[in-house]
Amino acid sequence: DAKTTQPPSMDCAEGRAANLPCNHSTISGNEYVYWYRQIHSQGPQYIIHGLKNNETNEMASLIITEDRKSSTLILPHATLRDTAVYYCIVRGGVILGIKAAGNKLTFGGGTRVLVKP
Amino acid sequence: DTEVTQTPKHLVMGMTNKKSLKCEQHMGHRAMYWYKQKAKKPPELMFVYSYEKLSINESVPSRFSPECPNSSLLNLHLHALQPEDSALYLCASSTYRGRGYTFGSGTRLTVV
Repeated sequence: DAKTTQPPSMDCAEGRAANLPCNHSTISGNEYVYWYRQIHSQGPQYIIHGLKNNETNEMASLIITEDRKSSTLILPHATLRDTAVYYCIVRGGVILGIKAAGNKLTFGGGTRVLVKP
Repeated sequence: DTEVTQTPKHLVMGMTNKKSLKCEQHMGHRAMYWYKQKAKKPPELMFVYSYEKLSINESVPSRFSPECPNSSLLNLHLHALQPEDSALYLCASSTYRGRGYTFGSGTRLTVV
């Protein structure tokens, strides 16, 4: 799986958009970009994922550059409850063979986001 | 039911004790996982079960023994642990192809 690079921490103001960058320059053609977040002492929570097109759901938007070497997670109106560690993960999609026997989700360092009033 | 349930939420055990962590899901997921997370670190994969068979062991010491008795249950048996094994243990499940990856809230284990 491709390695990702994220800033270790960032602050954002409550009510403002939070833009979380992720670099994945070694991503290959069949690998998806996933975002998870982990609120203190809870299990990671799925946010969104995409392959090449921008994606939006009720939680966030995902912008993937045309060359797919980086992406940005956008929280449109950050709230105090969005304070968490956000993980950008690159993982293969449908993989044949032994790797299909449970697709490993490998976490990098993540970005610790603090939403301030 | 869209949850992964882990019990107990907290566990304190001595180094000579034997204990088990339990994980349950009723989403029909056929892949289940154990992760270990130390404080301020990302989760690290320990084991993967696919169709009730162990498919990946990330070189985990034998004092951790996983078991998947059926498609809904995943256990982690603990024996002769060390204080450095204290961590948050997370269970997750997904479809066979890795979609719908869902985590439980974890068991916080303290070894004394």
